[in-house]
Amino acid sequence: GENVEQHPSTLSVQEGDSAVIKCTYSDSASNYFPWYKQELGKRPQLIIDIRSNVGEKKDQRIAVTLNKTAKHFSLHITETQPEDSAVYFCAANAGNMLTFGGGTRLMVKP
Amino acid sequence: DAGVIQSPRHEVTEMGQEVTLRCKPISGHDYLFWYRQTMMRGLELLIYFNNNVPIDDSGMPEDRFSAKMPNASFSTLKIQPSEPRDSAVYFCASSFSVPGNTIYFGEGSWLTVV
Repeated sequence: GENVEQHPSTLSVQEGDSAVIKCTYSDSASNYFPWYKQELGKRPQLIIDIRSNVGEKKDQRIAVTLNKTAKHFSLHITETQPEDSAVYFCAANAGNMLTFGGGTRLMVKP
Repeated sequence: DAGVIQSPRHEVTEMGQEVTLRCKPISGHDYLFWYRQTMMRGLELLIYFNNNVPIDDSGMPEDRFSAKMPNASFSTLKIQPSEPRDSAVYFCASSFSVPGNTIYFGEGSWLTVV
């Protein structure tokens, strides 16, 4: 089945700096790659997703890039703010299921 | 829409007791997923349903776990008997046909087995 690896597991940045989280996947048939943000004690919520027919997608301060050949995709957050502090999960579909990465705890220091 | 609704939000139970977690998916969604989240194992898919039919239960840890979806608006996850290692947050999620459609999570059921 699908295996999704996510790095780093923790990331600490200064407010205003950029943050990058990287994921690799194993199933070459995967074609949908969402990113979820989970604040402490809350549910995971979708923040952005990308499909295999595009290489990059942006939404204000967040962007995701996809390299299908290398089977990796990344989340980029620019001009980080304290409210960006959370755990971020990448995921890839395998058939009708989503497999999640292990999560990255992002801490933005004011 | 109120989103995916789960109950109970929090449950503390003694080892050996039966636990039943409940979920109401978003109206019209035809996929329903049960996930378990722990610090050690992250987000694990336990089982998912399509049009009320279980499709893949390979993530269910053992026979103590069972899940049902008697109709399009209700699902249960049952643990009998419960053990301390079952302590986790259990999320229910739903979506329109996947892949490629957003999966919406419920608030989760926080289970503690003592």
